[in-house]
Amino acid sequence: KAGVTQTPRYLIKTRGQQVTLSCSPISGHRSVSWYQQTPGQGLQFLFEYFSETQRNKGNFPGRFSGRQFSNSRSEMNVSTLELGDSALYLCASSLSGASVSNYGYTFGSGTRLTVV
Amino acid sequence: GDSVTQMEGPVTLSEEAFLTINCTYTATGYPSLFWYVQYPGEGLQLLLKATKADDKGSNKGFEATYRKETTSFHLEKGSVQVSDSAVYFCGGGADGLTFGKGTHLIIQP
Repeated sequence: KAGVTQTPRYLIKTRGQQVTLSCSPISGHRSVSWYQQTPGQGLQFLFEYFSETQRNKGNFPGRFSGRQFSNSRSEMNVSTLELGDSALYLCASSLSGASVSNYGYTFGSGTRLTVV
Repeated sequence: GDSVTQMEGPVTLSEEAFLTINCTYTATGYPSLFWYVQYPGEGLQLLLKATKADDKGSNKGFEATYRKETTSFHLEKGSVQVSDSAVYFCGGGADGLTFGKGTHLIIQP
Protein backbone atom coordinates (compact mmCIF):
# COMPACT_ATOMS: atom_id res chain seq x y z
CA LYS A 1 0.00 0.00 0.00
CA ALA A 2 1.56 3.27 -1.11
CA GLY A 3 2.16 5.88 1.56
CA VAL A 4 1.56 9.61 1.47
CA THR A 5 3.46 11.09 -1.45
CA GLN A 6 4.65 14.67 -1.50
CA THR A 7 6.20 16.39 -4.47
CA PRO A 8 8.63 17.86 -4.99
CA ARG A 9 11.02 16.80 -2.22
CA TYR A 10 13.13 19.93 -2.48
CA LEU A 11 12.41 23.38 -3.82
CA ILE A 12 14.32 26.63 -3.98
CA LYS A 13 12.40 29.82 -4.69
CA THR A 14 13.15 33.52 -4.69
CA ARG A 15 11.50 35.97 -2.33
CA GLY A 16 8.29 37.32 -3.84
CA GLN A 17 7.59 34.26 -5.96
CA GLN A 18 4.77 31.84 -5.37
CA VAL A 19 4.95 28.06 -4.94
CA THR A 20 2.61 25.09 -5.14
CA LEU A 21 3.23 21.87 -3.25
CA SER A 22 1.41 18.62 -3.93
CA CYS A 23 0.26 15.79 -1.69
CA SER A 24 -1.26 12.45 -2.68
CA PRO A 25 -2.86 10.72 0.31
CA ILE A 26 -3.07 7.01 0.98
CA SER A 27 -5.75 5.41 -1.16
CA GLY A 28 -9.10 5.64 0.62
CA HIS A 29 -8.04 8.47 2.92
CA ARG A 30 -10.28 11.50 2.55
CA SER A 31 -8.71 13.85 5.09
CA VAL A 32 -5.54 15.72 4.24
CA SER A 33 -3.83 18.18 6.54
CA TRP A 34 -0.75 20.35 6.12
CA TYR A 35 1.93 21.35 8.61
CA GLN A 36 4.90 23.67 8.59
CA GLN A 37 8.01 22.54 10.46
CA THR A 38 10.77 24.97 11.40
CA PRO A 39 13.54 24.71 14.02
CA GLY A 40 12.19 27.71 15.92
CA GLN A 41 8.43 27.10 15.86
CA GLY A 42 8.33 23.33 15.63
CA LEU A 43 5.34 21.76 13.91
CA GLN A 44 2.48 24.12 13.19
CA PHE A 45 -0.88 23.20 11.72
CA LEU A 46 -1.78 25.01 8.50
CA PHE A 47 -5.14 23.59 7.41
CA GLU A 48 -7.13 20.41 6.99
CA TYR A 49 -9.33 19.33 4.10
CA PHE A 50 -12.01 16.69 3.96
CA SER A 51 -14.02 15.88 0.85
CA GLU A 52 -12.77 19.00 -0.93
CA THR A 53 -13.79 21.32 1.93
CA GLN A 54 -11.49 23.13 4.29
CA ARG A 55 -12.61 21.95 7.70
CA ASN A 56 -10.06 23.60 9.96
CA LYS A 57 -7.39 26.28 9.66
CA GLY A 58 -4.37 27.29 11.71
CA ASN A 59 -3.01 30.76 12.38
CA PHE A 60 -1.23 31.53 9.15
CA PRO A 61 -1.62 34.57 6.87
CA GLY A 62 -3.81 34.47 3.80
CA ARG A 63 -0.74 33.96 1.61
CA PHE A 64 -1.02 30.32 2.57
CA SER A 65 -3.88 28.55 0.85
CA GLY A 66 -4.82 25.07 -0.17
CA ARG A 67 -7.34 22.96 -1.94
CA GLN A 68 -8.38 19.37 -2.27
CA PHE A 69 -9.52 17.62 -5.42
CA SER A 70 -12.22 15.01 -5.88
CA ASN A 71 -9.60 12.23 -5.78
CA SER A 72 -8.47 13.56 -2.36
CA ARG A 73 -5.16 14.83 -3.66
CA SER A 74 -4.30 18.18 -2.17
CA GLU A 75 -2.21 21.17 -3.10
CA MET A 76 -0.85 23.93 -0.95
CA ASN A 77 0.04 27.34 -2.35
CA VAL A 78 2.15 30.07 -0.84
CA SER A 79 2.13 33.43 -2.59
CA THR A 80 4.59 36.31 -2.23
CA LEU A 81 7.20 34.14 -0.56
CA GLU A 82 9.18 35.51 2.36
CA LEU A 83 12.49 34.29 3.75
CA GLY A 84 10.66 33.10 6.86
CA ASP A 85 8.61 30.68 4.77
CA SER A 86 11.66 28.45 4.44
CA ALA A 87 10.62 25.23 6.15
CA LEU A 88 9.78 21.58 5.78
CA TYR A 89 6.13 21.30 4.73
CA LEU A 90 4.50 18.07 5.79
CA CYS A 91 1.28 16.60 4.53
CA ALA A 92 -0.70 13.99 6.45
CA SER A 93 -3.70 11.89 5.51
CA SER A 94 -6.28 10.06 7.55
CA LEU A 95 -9.34 7.89 7.10
CA SER A 96 -12.70 9.60 6.96
CA GLY A 97 -15.15 9.48 9.84
CA ALA A 98 -16.74 11.56 12.55
CA SER A 99 -13.70 11.23 14.77
CA VAL A 100 -11.00 11.44 12.15
CA SER A 101 -8.19 11.88 14.60
CA ASN A 102 -8.93 8.54 16.30
CA TYR A 103 -7.28 6.81 13.38
CA GLY A 104 -4.13 8.84 13.52
CA TYR A 105 -2.48 10.58 10.63
CA THR A 106 0.05 9.14 8.21
CA PHE A 107 2.66 11.67 7.22
CA GLY A 108 4.57 12.11 4.01
CA SER A 109 8.32 12.76 3.90
CA GLY A 110 7.75 16.44 3.28
CA THR A 111 8.81 19.13 0.85
CA ARG A 112 11.84 21.15 1.89
CA LEU A 113 11.25 24.73 0.71
CA THR A 114 14.11 27.20 0.74
CA VAL A 115 13.40 30.85 -0.01
CA VAL A 116 16.41 32.93 -1.03
CA GLY B 1 -6.88 27.24 21.55
CA ASP B 2 -5.39 23.83 22.07
CA SER B 3 -1.80 23.56 23.26
CA VAL B 4 0.72 20.83 23.95
CA THR B 5 3.63 21.17 26.32
CA GLN B 6 6.48 18.68 26.23
CA MET B 7 10.03 18.70 27.49
CA GLU B 8 12.26 19.89 24.67
CA GLY B 9 15.63 18.42 25.49
CA PRO B 10 17.91 17.33 24.10
CA VAL B 11 17.57 14.34 26.37
CA THR B 12 20.73 12.22 26.48
CA LEU B 13 20.62 8.73 27.96
CA SER B 14 22.80 5.66 27.98
CA GLU B 15 21.65 2.51 26.27
CA GLU B 16 19.29 0.39 28.43
CA ALA B 17 18.28 3.39 30.57
CA PHE B 18 14.66 4.11 31.46
CA LEU B 19 13.00 6.85 29.40
CA THR B 20 10.25 9.29 30.31
CA ILE B 21 9.24 12.20 28.10
CA ASN B 22 6.57 14.35 29.68
CA CYS B 23 3.62 15.72 27.71
CA THR B 24 0.57 17.66 28.86
CA TYR B 25 -2.31 18.74 26.69
CA THR B 26 -4.74 21.64 27.09
CA ALA B 27 -7.94 21.61 25.05
CA THR B 28 -11.66 21.91 25.11
CA GLY B 29 -12.85 18.39 25.74
CA TYR B 30 -10.69 15.29 25.59
CA PRO B 31 -9.26 14.75 22.12
CA SER B 32 -7.31 11.73 20.95
CA LEU B 33 -3.61 11.91 21.82
CA PHE B 34 -0.63 10.68 19.83
CA TRP B 35 3.10 10.26 19.95
CA TYR B 36 4.96 10.58 16.68
CA VAL B 37 8.65 9.93 16.01
CA GLN B 38 10.81 11.62 13.40
CA TYR B 39 14.10 10.10 12.30
CA PRO B 40 16.68 12.32 10.56
CA GLY B 41 15.62 13.34 7.07
CA GLU B 42 12.23 11.66 7.33
CA GLY B 43 8.63 12.58 7.97
CA LEU B 44 6.70 11.73 11.11
CA GLN B 45 5.75 8.18 11.96
CA LEU B 46 2.91 7.33 14.32
CA LEU B 47 4.39 5.64 17.37
CA LEU B 48 1.27 5.13 19.50
CA LYS B 49 -2.10 6.65 20.29
CA ALA B 50 -4.90 6.77 22.83
CA THR B 51 -8.42 7.79 22.01
CA LYS B 52 -9.98 8.18 25.46
CA ALA B 53 -9.16 8.58 29.12
CA ASP B 54 -7.23 5.70 30.74
CA ASP B 55 -6.37 4.27 27.34
CA LYS B 56 -2.82 2.98 27.10
CA GLY B 57 -1.07 3.12 23.77
CA SER B 58 1.94 0.90 23.20
CA ASN B 59 4.32 0.04 20.39
CA LYS B 60 7.95 -1.11 20.05
CA GLY B 61 8.38 -1.13 23.84
CA PHE B 62 7.06 2.43 24.23
CA GLU B 63 3.97 3.12 26.33
CA ALA B 64 1.84 6.14 27.19
CA THR B 65 -1.34 6.36 29.26
CA TYR B 66 -3.97 9.05 28.72
CA ARG B 67 -4.46 10.57 32.19
CA LYS B 68 -7.64 12.64 32.18
CA GLU B 69 -7.09 14.13 35.65
CA THR B 70 -3.73 15.60 34.72
CA THR B 71 -4.34 15.83 30.94
CA SER B 72 -1.00 14.10 30.53
CA PHE B 73 0.30 11.56 28.06
CA HIS B 74 3.86 10.83 29.15
CA LEU B 75 5.94 8.55 26.94
CA GLU B 76 7.91 5.77 28.65
CA LYS B 77 10.24 2.95 27.67
CA GLY B 78 11.93 0.59 30.05
CA SER B 79 15.20 0.08 28.17
CA VAL B 80 16.19 2.39 25.33
CA GLN B 81 18.42 1.47 22.40
CA VAL B 82 20.73 3.54 20.22
CA SER B 83 18.21 3.09 17.40
CA ASP B 84 15.62 5.01 19.46
CA SER B 85 17.58 8.22 18.88
CA ALA B 86 15.15 10.57 17.14
CA VAL B 87 12.83 13.51 17.75
CA TYR B 88 9.57 12.64 19.51
CA PHE B 89 6.42 14.74 19.14
CA CYS B 90 3.38 14.64 21.38
CA GLY B 91 0.17 15.79 19.69
CA GLY B 92 -3.57 15.72 19.82
CA GLY B 93 -6.77 17.07 18.40
CA ALA B 94 -9.33 16.54 15.70
CA ASP B 95 -9.43 17.79 12.13
CA GLY B 96 -5.80 18.80 12.42
CA LEU B 97 -3.26 18.14 15.16
CA THR B 98 -1.60 20.43 17.65
CA PHE B 99 1.94 19.35 18.44
CA GLY B 100 4.49 20.06 21.10
CA LYS B 101 7.85 21.42 20.01
CA GLY B 102 9.43 17.99 19.98
CA THR B 103 11.96 16.27 22.21
CA HIS B 104 15.32 15.36 20.73
CA LEU B 105 16.39 12.03 22.24
CA ILE B 106 20.02 10.93 22.03
CA ILE B 107 20.94 7.43 23.17
CA GLN B 108 24.63 6.76 23.70
CA PRO B 109 26.10 3.25 23.51
